Amino acid sequence: NAGVTQTPKFQVLKTGQSMTLQCAQDMNHNSMYWYRQDPGMGLRLIYYSASEGTTDKGEVPNGYNVSRLNKREFSLRLESAAPSQTSVYFCASSESFFAVGYEQYFGPGTRLTVT
Amino acid sequence: KQEVTQIPAALSVPEGENLVLNCSFTDSAIYNLQWFRQDPGKGLTSLLLIQSSQREQTSGRLNASLDKSSGRSTLYIAASQPGDSATYLCAVNAGKSTFGDGTTLTVKP
Repeated sequence: NAGVTQTPKFQVLKTGQSMTLQCAQDMNHNSMYWYRQDPGMGLRLIYYSASEGTTDKGEVPNGYNVSRLNKREFSLRLESAAPSQTSVYFCASSESFFAVGYEQYFGPGTRLTVT
Repeated sequence: KQEVTQIPAALSVPEGENLVLNCSFTDSAIYNLQWFRQDPGKGLTSLLLIQSSQREQTSGRLNASLDKSSGRSTLYIAASQPGDSATYLCAVNAGKSTFGDGTTLTVKP
């Protein structure tokens, strides 16, 4: 059981380049999330998808777009990368966005450097 | 806006000591609170989840408590071991999650 998988694991971009981070889960979860983690800080929510077919902004959505491709996959796109987007990106999933008893499961992260 | 604070930011203890990590939050309208462990350069591992109606959860040497009315949670680690060295994060979930900045724990042999 793979859980939550992310690709790529590492990426270096030049300012202005674009890229898409991929995330997939095999737990049949309804909700999926994208976070970023900067050094010495906790995670901040970028976008989330409460259920297939829906996406919403989180705390720090500027400069990003997302696509919930199907129930399993949720991608994050940087259209024009900036040095401020250098960070570690985590994808997570949970059974339900609204229920009290469901925990979030996290992928291993993508380490992105923008020069 | 929910704000989550974890104190202390770093903690160093000798092996075998019992310790408490603190997490406070400003908005008590939450679904649950989740404690995670993060090793350097790694992802997050879920330790415990406390639902909003619960007071505490236990797993092995770990015990997490929740006082929603006062906006506080604690993670108690009994008989600490060097393998417990990691950063511990709490996340408050109300649909969207808000994370604290973490407490970095070092357990010295």
